[in-house]
Amino acid sequence: QKEVEQNSGPLSVPEGAIASLNCTYSDRGSQSFFWYRQYSGKSPELIMFIYSNGDKEDGRFTAQLNKASQYVSLLIRDSQPSDSATYLCAVKGGFKTIFGAGTRLFVKA
Amino acid sequence: GAVVSQHPSRVICKSGTSVKIECRSLDFQATTMFWYRQFPKQSLMLMATSNEGSKATYEQGVEKDKFLINHASLTLSTLTVTSAHPEDSSFYICSARDQADPQFFGPGTRLTVL
Repeated sequence: QKEVEQNSGPLSVPEGAIASLNCTYSDRGSQSFFWYRQYSGKSPELIMFIYSNGDKEDGRFTAQLNKASQYVSLLIRDSQPSDSATYLCAVKGGFKTIFGAGTRLFVKA
Repeated sequence: GAVVSQHPSRVICKSGTSVKIECRSLDFQATTMFWYRQFPKQSLMLMATSNEGSKATYEQGVEKDKFLINHASLTLSTLTVTSAHPEDSSFYICSARDQADPQFFGPGTRLTVL
């Protein structure tokens, strides 16, 4: 059974701080990695995707991938209250994309 | 990112009736569409995967005769919940992708069965 694990949280950070969200996966053959944000009562929204080891930056967001450790993370710099949401890690190996259960982030004003 | 729409956004129906939910890709051709269900405070649960022109592939435990999926064109997939019951009340979300990742989600349909 291929798995994607995330700490459910909530992860609470003060406004302006860096939020670090982590995800581990079991399928060593996974090739594509995605982060989605889901606000309460809404559907997931794609934030970033990463395919290669290392860091990928987009504005306040940085995705980090370490295939050897089977670990992907999302850093949110200068966290804002509007970043408060559930963040879903998704991993694709082969034909299927597996979603983690998500980490709830709460940014305190 | 690509745009996926769903209709209706919210539906309330009586037990025993059937409900059809539409999912459309507005600015790309969706080779593959996915249907998910999400209960409050729970994670996404994949129900089925459909490829245009082919029969949908259902996940284990999902009744294909109850959740009818049609993907007749590259921009439209429908999910019909047949003979709906209160336990079918949930948030149904579709997603779509073309031949490459990532998949993009529709806004979801909240179904309430009385």
